[in-house]
Amino acid sequence: AQKVTQAQTEISVVEKEDVTLDCVYETRDTTYYLFWYKQPPSGELVFLIRRNSFDEQNEISGRYSWNFQKSTSSFNFTITASQVVDSAVYFCALLPGGTSYGKLTFGQGTILTVHP
Amino acid sequence: NAGVMQNPRHLVRRRGQEARLRCSPMKGHSHVYWYRQLPEEGLKFMVYLQKENIIDESGMPKERFSAEFPKEGPSILRIQQVVRGDSAAYFCASSFGQGASYEQYFGPGTRLTVT
Repeated sequence: AQKVTQAQTEISVVEKEDVTLDCVYETRDTTYYLFWYKQPPSGELVFLIRRNSFDEQNEISGRYSWNFQKSTSSFNFTITASQVVDSAVYFCALLPGGTSYGKLTFGQGTILTVHP
Repeated sequence: NAGVMQNPRHLVRRRGQEARLRCSPMKGHSHVYWYRQLPEEGLKFMVYLQKENIIDESGMPKERFSAEFPKEGPSILRIQQVVRGDSAAYFCASSFGQGASYEQYFGPGTRLTVT
């Protein structure tokens, strides 16, 4: 069975602070994909990143960075110099590569509030 | 190239009525997934369909819920005799192919409120 745990239910920071959102996953598959999505107050799901299990290189995109560590089954997401517009719910998700189709398993989400 | 479209965006139904949620996948996509997001929870898989076929409905409640993806037209998620517990956001995603390597693109969601 697949499982994604986002232990932080809510995080509150002040603008310009760095913040890290944790994601721990469980799967028996050797090939899998990990995702992060952002859900702003408007409600839509915004795709942020997709990573496959063979690529453990950290990734940076502007103020966003992701740290993938297979040894600890974690795929953490860091926002540097946070801004008010970063306020949203963030979801981590897992897609086993062994399945024949894309059935995503989502974490519970972390509510991030950035105060001015 | 239009993305995944869902309508209506907001739907209000009284208990006992039927709710019909529509999803038009991206052009060229023949694979559709439905997910449900209950208040303050993550998204949960409901059903996976290809054109005219239900492939996996393991996440669908056993009663009152059904889904279809006809040869022509959008995919429909139908909820009969709605109850308050059905109030949620329903997201549709589509992909070009079947394998796990194919990207899923999400629609904006339909927010169902049962009064």
